[in-house]
Amino acid sequence: EGQLVESGGGLVQSGESLTLSCAASGFTFSDYAMSWVRQAPGKGLEWVSGISDSADHSYYINSVKGRFTIYRDNSKSLLYLQMNSLRAEDTAVYYCGKRVAGNTGPFDIWGQGTVVTVSS
Amino acid sequence: DVQMTQSPSTLSASVGDRVTITCRASQNINTWVAWYQQKPGKAPQLLIYKASSLQSGVPSRFSGSASGTEFTLTISSLQPDDFATYYCQQYNNYSPGLTFGGGTKVEIK
Repeated sequence: EGQLVESGGGLVQSGESLTLSCAASGFTFSDYAMSWVRQAPGKGLEWVSGISDSADHSYYINSVKGRFTIYRDNSKSLLYLQMNSLRAEDTAVYYCGKRVAGNTGPFDIWGQGTVVTVSS
Repeated sequence: DVQMTQSPSTLSASVGDRVTITCRASQNINTWVAWYQQKPGKAPQLLIYKASSLQSGVPSRFSGSASGTEFTLTISSLQPDDFATYYCQQYNNYSPGLTFGGGTKVEIK
């Protein structure tokens, strides 16, 4: 059974930057697409960004395009989310998730989440 | 953009009740729909994938079905551990993203 552990969250001011990390173990990281999903306080789940297994394709929701960058280091089994120009509406718990089957499927493994708070 | 409209947003039920939650997709997404359960302070857990396939380890009281662009999660006999929030998700493609429904909170009646 695989595991994902996020880190890097914290309290920042509006306009500042933060980079989240997600450490994978228990599965062959380079075989699976990965994503970041966030959940604002008291709200539902929102998919934010995804990256293919080989990192040749990345995807974003419109509200973070140009501000967030997803990338991965398959040699270290690490996933990242670089977040620039943060806004109050980016405040959320950020989860990383592994897709079930290569570059397809839903998320069968999730991390415990890391909290990002953006103060205006 | 694929939208997933989930209903109801809140559901009050008793232990032993049969519970049904529905998601409607704004366009054809075949059966690329998953259902998750989330408890407070915890990450979501995958219950159903490809609209009706039960994830390994998930109790058989959970089931999923599809009819066109309407997808349903059914809990055949609600158990105390099932009081949680449930989300549908389409994973047909990334355009613009792997959209979630708004969630359904299942509360104790």
